[in-house]
Amino acid sequence: EAQVTQNPRYLITVTGKKLTVTCSQNMNHEYMSWYRQDPGLGLRQIYYSMNVEVTDKGDVPEGYKVSRKEKRNFPLILESPSPNQTSLYFCASSSPDRHGYTFGSGTRLTVV
Amino acid sequence: AQRVTQPEKLLSVFKGAPVELKCNYSYSGSPELFWYVQYSRQRLQLLLRHISRESIKGFTADLNKGETSFHLKKPFAQEEDSAMYYCALSPYNNAGNMLTFGGGTRLMVKP
Repeated sequence: EAQVTQNPRYLITVTGKKLTVTCSQNMNHEYMSWYRQDPGLGLRQIYYSMNVEVTDKGDVPEGYKVSRKEKRNFPLILESPSPNQTSLYFCASSSPDRHGYTFGSGTRLTVV
Repeated sequence: AQRVTQPEKLLSVFKGAPVELKCNYSYSGSPELFWYVQYSRQRLQLLLRHISRESIKGFTADLNKGETSFHLKKPFAQEEDSAMYYCALSPYNNAGNMLTFGGGTRLMVKP
C-alpha cells in the first residue's frame, strides 16, 4: 500500500531534550515536506526536500532540522525542543507531476 | 508571496442543504489549487485539484481567476462530509513543493 509513515504518533517530552520524528514513504517520491498544524493557523511548512541531499526552509524553520540521506526518509529533528513547538506535525510526499501531496497520519508532540 | 484565505473557520449546515466553502488566493503567477480534507482523527487527504476538473464525493470547485477564488461546492451535504477542509495553492512551475495552505474551515453537517 502506498503510504507515508510517521513515528511516533504521540510524544510527550521535556524542554531541551533532543528528539527525532521519522518519516518514510514507499512511493519513490522526489519531494518530501514537513508541516505543523496549529489551531487557527492551519498548516505551515517547516522544511521541504526536492531530492536526496537537497533541503530548504519553509515558512517556519526555526528550531527544526531535517536531513535527506535517502529518498524514502525525511526525519524531522528538534535539537532543543521548547513548549512553543507543541503541535501536530505532518510529513508529506509528492512526485513532480503535481498530483498533490500524500500525507502521513501525523505526530502529536507535547513539550512540557 | 502567495497567500490563501479561507474566511470561515466554521460552517454549519443541515443535511441536504447546499454547501459552499470559500477560498480566496493571492498569487501573481499561474497557480495550481487544491482542496484537502481531514476527517476526525485522520490524515489529510487530497480531495480535488483544479487541473483535473473532477467531482469527488459530490464536491466540485472551479478556479475563478478574475475573482482569485476556488470555492468548494456540494449541492446536498451529507453527515459524513463533516470534516476540516483546507484550500491550498502551489505555483504552477513549482510542482507542488511550495504548497501554501489556508487556515481551514470546519464543516459540520447536522442531521
